Amino acid sequence: SQTIHQWPATLVQPVGSPLSLECTVEGTSNPNLYWYRQAAGRGLQLLFYSVGIGQISSEVPQNLSASRPQDRQFILSSKKLLLSDSGFYLCAWKGAGNTIYFGEGSWLTVV
Amino acid sequence: GEDVEQSLFLSVREGDSSVINCTYTDSSSTYLYWYKQEPGAGLQLLTYIFSNMDMKQDQRLTVLLNKKDKHLSLRIADTQTGDSAIYFCALGGTDKLIFGTGTRLQVFP
Repeated sequence: SQTIHQWPATLVQPVGSPLSLECTVEGTSNPNLYWYRQAAGRGLQLLFYSVGIGQISSEVPQNLSASRPQDRQFILSSKKLLLSDSGFYLCAWKGAGNTIYFGEGSWLTVV
Repeated sequence: GEDVEQSLFLSVREGDSSVINCTYTDSSSTYLYWYKQEPGAGLQLLTYIFSNMDMKQDQRLTVLLNKKDKHLSLRIADTQTGDSAIYFCALGGTDKLIFGTGTRLQVFP
């Protein structure tokens, strides 16, 4: 069966520090992969999506970047975090029937 | 871009039915979804409907789609305290899935 792993689950980072959130999917090949952010008390914002290795589409201009070095690996990064980057980050993949499945999320607090 | 709107809060008594509404602007989506998010957790897919359907029932859940009015709803029958969560509608069909703003459902005894 397919599973999605996302880590770290929580992290507290100072302003100006780098960020790396990692997501891997098991049990499928060439999935569409997504990064969403959920700011406190707000809805889900699509940040990036990828339809294949090295293919990244950015939805909003921001302080973040994404990379897909392997078929089932999706990484969210920042060189210098801002306070406004705080939020709940969710990785997801598209399965059969165009359904989207989510990881458990990563809580990022920038201080 | 696509605009997907939901009311922010809904409060219902245990045992009553809940109806969560969603309106959207772009009618090109092939699939329309409902997700549930419990506190501090990721999103759980509840159900989805194809754009060529008007209704889908799955146990206590009923999804209604009015394409003319661009309106999607989720009805939860016999609402329980365990149904308290944030509910998101989402639209998709190509590569992206766009989410609504989420409705926080509170169930009181």
